[in-house]
Amino acid sequence: EVQLVESGGGLVQPGASLKLSCVASGFTFSDYWMSWVRQTPGKTMEWIGDIKYDGSYTNYAPSLKNRFTISRDNAKSTLYLQMSNVRSEDTATYYCTGGFAYWGQGTLVTVSS
Amino acid sequence: DIQMTQSPSFLSASVGDRVTINCKASQNINKYLDWYQQKHGEAPKLLIYNTNNLQTGIPSRFSGSGSGTDYTLTISSLQPEDVATYFCLQHSSRPYTFGAGTKLELK
Repeated sequence: EVQLVESGGGLVQPGASLKLSCVASGFTFSDYWMSWVRQTPGKTMEWIGDIKYDGSYTNYAPSLKNRFTISRDNAKSTLYLQMSNVRSEDTATYYCTGGFAYWGQGTLVTVSS
Repeated sequence: DIQMTQSPSFLSASVGDRVTINCKASQNINKYLDWYQQKHGEAPKLLIYNTNNLQTGIPSRFSGSGSGTDYTLTISSLQPEDVATYFCLQHSSRPYTFGAGTKLELK
């Protein structure tokens, strides 16, 4: 059974940093481009970025490129999203997805003082 | 960025109805268009990839069509379990972009 399990979300203060993780199982993680997608409280979906299967290449939404970093550890079948200088507008549920075929259940990040 | 205009935003239909949801891209996306279903409190689920390919395990009442800038998701005979929000996603050009969603309810 394919599983993607995100963790690391929670309540954070504006300006803080946060690192999300996504552990994959049930498929060959190292064969897939992986993406992070977020969904705002108003249900708008936004693609954050993706990373090539070997970790050699990343792409980001231009508005997030300077604050978010995607990485992966294929030995651990784990995807990461490092978020820095978070803002209230980063409040969302964050999903990891494998090739857009497989999705985790999401982890909620709330940015508030 | 490619803008995806999805319509309608809200749809009310009866069991057995044929339902269509549309996405229009701001430029040609060469059929790199997926459709997702999201039920309340759940993650999105891939229904259709690359315009008209049914994802494994998805009922055949779901189908997709389109080309260029215009794409359609069709549910041939609406079932109660189809109540959900539906999104399109273009993956022709980064940044990938989603439609705003269509909330489908039973009449």
